[in-house]
Amino acid sequence: AQSVTQLGSHVSVSEGALVLLRCNYSSSVPPYLFWYVQYPNQGLQLLLKYTSAATLVKGINGFEAEFKKSETSFHLTKPSAHMSDAAEYFCAVSDRVKAAGNKLTFGGGTRVLVKP
Amino acid sequence: EAQVTQNPRYLITVTGKKLTVTCSQNMNHEYMSWYRQDPGLGLRQIYYSMNVEVTDKGDVPEGYKVSRKEKRNFPLILESPSPNQTSLYFCASSFSPVNNSPLHFGNGTRLTVT
Repeated sequence: AQSVTQLGSHVSVSEGALVLLRCNYSSSVPPYLFWYVQYPNQGLQLLLKYTSAATLVKGINGFEAEFKKSETSFHLTKPSAHMSDAAEYFCAVSDRVKAAGNKLTFGGGTRVLVKP
Repeated sequence: EAQVTQNPRYLITVTGKKLTVTCSQNMNHEYMSWYRQDPGLGLRQIYYSMNVEVTDKGDVPEGYKVSRKEKRNFPLILESPSPNQTSLYFCASSFSPVNNSPLHFGNGTRLTVT
């Protein structure tokens, strides 16, 4: 079964500093990979996704993530944090070969706090 | 506006009292799914539907039922709720059931069972 590990349930960054959120997956076949963001009292919104094209994926709001097959990782970064980035971030994977449709397996989430 | 609508947003109930959480999408999506979110566990899939009249279990289906009689609606039914079903529930849909089709989420239903 797929599993996703997000290192750090809480991350605190200063406004203007680098945001780095770590995600590792377990799969012998590279899956589809996603990052979602959840703002308070809202559902999840797609930030970006990796299917099989370029290993560096650019998303919305200045975020990007790099797929590294050798490290089974898909870390999310943003060069300069903004106060509006305070939210919870989820890494998720979808099995390429699975027949059960569009099922996502989520990591435990990382809550980002941005300090002025 | 394209959206997934869940109702109610908040629900407090007692053990054993049947309840239904509704979910509706206006995007003509084929695929719909229910997840529950618990602290530290992320989201876990309860049930999903590939199309009308086609539903199947996810990872944590015990204590839940679903139906998909119309393409736009996918209600979640708790026949006899228990306190361990206290959670934040999300309905999601995607245009296609293929594995990389982005999911669109509703705003969630926070359920408390006492």
